[in-house]
Amino acid sequence: RKEVEQDPGPFNVPEGATVAFNCTYSNSASQSFFWYRQDCRKEPKLLMSVYSSGNEDGRFTAQLNRASQYISLLIRDSKLSDSATYLCVVIYNQGGKLIFGQGTELSVKP
Amino acid sequence: NAGVTQTPKFQVLKTGQSMTLQCAQDMNHNSMYWYRQDPGMGLRLIYYSASEGTTDKGEVPNGYNVSRLNKREFSLRLESAAPSQTSVYFCASSDARDRSIEAFFGQGTRLTVV
Repeated sequence: RKEVEQDPGPFNVPEGATVAFNCTYSNSASQSFFWYRQDCRKEPKLLMSVYSSGNEDGRFTAQLNRASQYISLLIRDSKLSDSATYLCVVIYNQGGKLIFGQGTELSVKP
Repeated sequence: NAGVTQTPKFQVLKTGQSMTLQCAQDMNHNSMYWYRQDPGMGLRLIYYSASEGTTDKGEVPNGYNVSRLNKREFSLRLESAAPSQTSVYFCASSDARDRSIEAFFGQGTRLTVV
């Protein structure tokens, strides 16, 4: 079992739709959590951090459930420009090792 | 500010050849990482270095070696390339003292082993 697992993709949605991604992690010692975005096999870039209390950035909302060891990303009012692969990232306490999920591909159609 | 610089961007190797991928960061980060990315597999950690002088294995270290030459540079070496090592390789760095901050990535090296 992978240490960090994501919903399998691809997700194909129309413009304006709301889409949610989930990610589970197996190591309870995990300390920090992030969502990264990757376009067309370019380098991943930070989308947003995930805080224990949940956090929002415009149309994007991230939530963390430590008890169940999962994090989520909600995208409201999807835009064509949201089409990308979304990667869940977990950092462990010891050594700061970054572990990625396998990514979920999102395709937003007109 | 260049961030993370990887070289080369593209490389074709014959089976059995060796090569070194170079990575340098100018953000004074303690931690550096090497990942490989294959279709449907996400980014898998090959090796990482939490600080200058230390290296640790990740998920898929077999067939690779690394050197943390100094705080700025972290190289990945393939001693005897195999077709299974055809992949896109990313180097990254972050500040392990503050795990709330993001990791920055190089632009990737597209390696083909024939």
